[in-house]
Amino acid sequence: DGGITQSPKYLFRKEGQNVTLSCEQNLNHDAMYWYRQDPGQGLRLIYYSQIVNDFQKGDIAEGYSVSREKKESFPLTVTSAQKNPTAFYLCASSERTGTPNSPLHFGNGTRLTVT
Amino acid sequence: AQKVTQAQTEISVVEKEDVTLDCVYETRDTTYYLFWYKQPPSGELVFLIRRNSFDEQNEISGRYSWNFQKSTSSFNFTITASQVVDSAVYFCALSKLSGTYKYIFGTGTRLKVLA
Repeated sequence: DGGITQSPKYLFRKEGQNVTLSCEQNLNHDAMYWYRQDPGQGLRLIYYSQIVNDFQKGDIAEGYSVSREKKESFPLTVTSAQKNPTAFYLCASSERTGTPNSPLHFGNGTRLTVT
Repeated sequence: AQKVTQAQTEISVVEKEDVTLDCVYETRDTTYYLFWYKQPPSGELVFLIRRNSFDEQNEISGRYSWNFQKSTSSFNFTITASQVVDSAVYFCALSKLSGTYKYIFGTGTRLKVLA
């Protein structure tokens, strides 16, 4: 079955440590996205990528970094510069950007807790 | 400015009751798309429906129906004869054709269906 796999489901880190969240898709989608979900705030876009080796900042990119070396993979690194990293992180993909009628396909998310 | 408002933070109903989730949007674009997603406790957002700005026909899919009214900038979602499995957080979202492509999500409505 095609889909998006995020790992791990739960992640715990000490403050000051960088942490990388994995996102892999086998849908052959060009575009991939990272969202952050906080209670009562909906989904906020962190980064998105339209094509391999290219990515763009979203609304809340500070303290995060990404890479897109392969079409299937879009890992997100939460750096120590992110002031409030504890959140639920969702990875998504769509057939391509520039086509706003393409629905997003989501992974199951990673819940990150930083203490 | 683009904005999606889901004023209902949480709704509780008893099984078999009908329930309507409200979504009001703001956009200056004439071409745009509206979506509803369901987020069950597992965390993954599931695409439910897409509607473009030129198609105001209501849609029915089983127990689900959607009412799109451009005159009031609303795209409301009704579940008929609700079931416990309908318990989830529901998100309304807007995407637009012009400019940088991205979704704008509402803050979500948590629906609890009690047995």
